Amino acid sequence: QQQVKQSPQSLIVQKGGISIINCAYENTAFDYFPWYQQFPGKGPALLIAIRPDVSEKKEGRFTISFNKSAKQFSLHIMDSQPGDSATYFCAATTSGTYKYIFGTGTRLKVLA
Amino acid sequence: GAGVSQTPSNKVTEKGKYVELRCDPISGHTALYWYRQSLGQGPEFLIYFQGTGAADDSGLPNDRFFAVRPEGSVSTLKIQRTERGDSAVYLCASSVTASSGYTFGSGTRLTVV
Repeated sequence: QQQVKQSPQSLIVQKGGISIINCAYENTAFDYFPWYQQFPGKGPALLIAIRPDVSEKKEGRFTISFNKSAKQFSLHIMDSQPGDSATYFCAATTSGTYKYIFGTGTRLKVLA
Repeated sequence: GAGVSQTPSNKVTEKGKYVELRCDPISGHTALYWYRQSLGQGPEFLIYFQGTGAADDSGLPNDRFFAVRPEGSVSTLKIQRTERGDSAVYLCASSVTASSGYTFGSGTRLTVV
C-alpha cells in the first residue's frame, strides 16, 4: 500500500516531442505528489508538484495531470529537448509528514 | 552554504570495514534526511532528524547503520562491518521544516568490494 508504481522504465523521444511518464499509488492518505529530475552524479531536484485538489498543474513545458479517482498522476514534458535527458522520479507523501515514497524512476532520452 | 554538501562523493571500501558519510545541510534547515538509492531504483528513506534528535529511524536496514547530528547541523551516517549489499548512493536532504520541500545533495556513492 505504500508503493508508488512508475512507468515506463525508459523512454526515448524525438526533440520537440511529448514525453509522458505515469505513476500510480494505493494509499489514499497521500496528498502531495512531487516529481524530481535527476542528472547523472547529482541528487534529485524538485521539478513540479501537485496536490489532489486540482487535476492539472502547469509550469512552463512541464505539466502534471492528476486523476484522484484512479489514483494516478502523470508528468508531461512538452517540446522535449535534449537537455531534458535525465531520470525522472515521481513521489508521494502525506502533508505534515516528512517521508517520501519514490517511484522506481524513468530514464528519459531526448534525441537531437 | 548554498546547497546540501555531501562528502566524500565516492567511497570504495573493503567488506567488513567501517565507513562514515558526511552531510552538511543548508544553513538554517532544521530537518535533515538520509535516503539510500540503489542502482535503478528510487531513493528509499533511512532516517529523519529534527534538530539534534533522530525523530524517525525506521528506515535503517539493521543495527550496522547509525546516524548522528550532534549539534543540529552536520550529520554523519555510520556503517559498521560493511557488506557488498550496502553498495549504493547515499543521499542526504534538508528542509526548513518537516513539511516543506526537500533539497537533496549530490550523494555519496559507496562501493563495498
